[in-house]
Amino acid sequence: EIVLTQSPGTLSLSPGERATLSCRASQSVLRNYLAWYQQKPGQAPRLLISAASSRATGIPDRFSGSGSGTDFTLTISRLEPEDFAVYYCQQYGSSISYTFGQGTKLEIK
Amino acid sequence: QVQLQESGPGLVQPSQTLSLTCSVSGGSITSHGFYWSWIRQYPGKDLEWIGYMFNTGGTKYNPSLNSRLTISRDTSKNQFSLKLNSVTAADTAMYYCARMPSTGSFGWFDPWGQGTLVTVSS
Repeated sequence: EIVLTQSPGTLSLSPGERATLSCRASQSVLRNYLAWYQQKPGQAPRLLISAASSRATGIPDRFSGSGSGTDFTLTISRLEPEDFAVYYCQQYGSSISYTFGQGTKLEIK
Repeated sequence: QVQLQESGPGLVQPSQTLSLTCSVSGGSITSHGFYWSWIRQYPGKDLEWIGYMFNTGGTKYNPSLNSRLTISRDTSKNQFSLKLNSVTAADTAMYYCARMPSTGSFGWFDPWGQGTLVTVSS
């Protein structure tokens, strides 16, 4: 099973700042099949990015994904108040099982 | 646009069977192009993929749950269901159903239902 480790656990930033979230895999993710989700309190996760860098429909272009192999990054170029939430990465390159990272909480500083 | 809604008992006794249903509107579960999945989120917020059903009715399960899990469907109601046997307190979680694409870089989940909380307790 591929283990995903996200860092930092909590990120404290102010609106307008740039956020960089990391997701590291225990082994290479096949075809860079990595997704990012945003979850707000009381809501289901929402897809932001698939295949490491493809923005989902309706996702603002301040969200971008990058990376390959075992190291992936979600960048939010300029934080809006509604961006403060928990972010999860998920790999789907393994044909055995899909796995999620433990999440990064993005909080207002 | 497609919407998913989970339903089922919120409380299940230990050793019993957890049964949930996902009702899909705005799209058919038999249509080419999509599979239908279950995911759970533990109280500590970790997420775990449970399994999915192909549009043709086949299934793929998380190996860690394979011996206790059945995913089935009712095409006349456009619903798919989850049954998890021999539950323990460790199965207490928010359970989500979600759609996933069956082509291209499939394996991501969008959209998700709102989730239903299941507590295993006597």
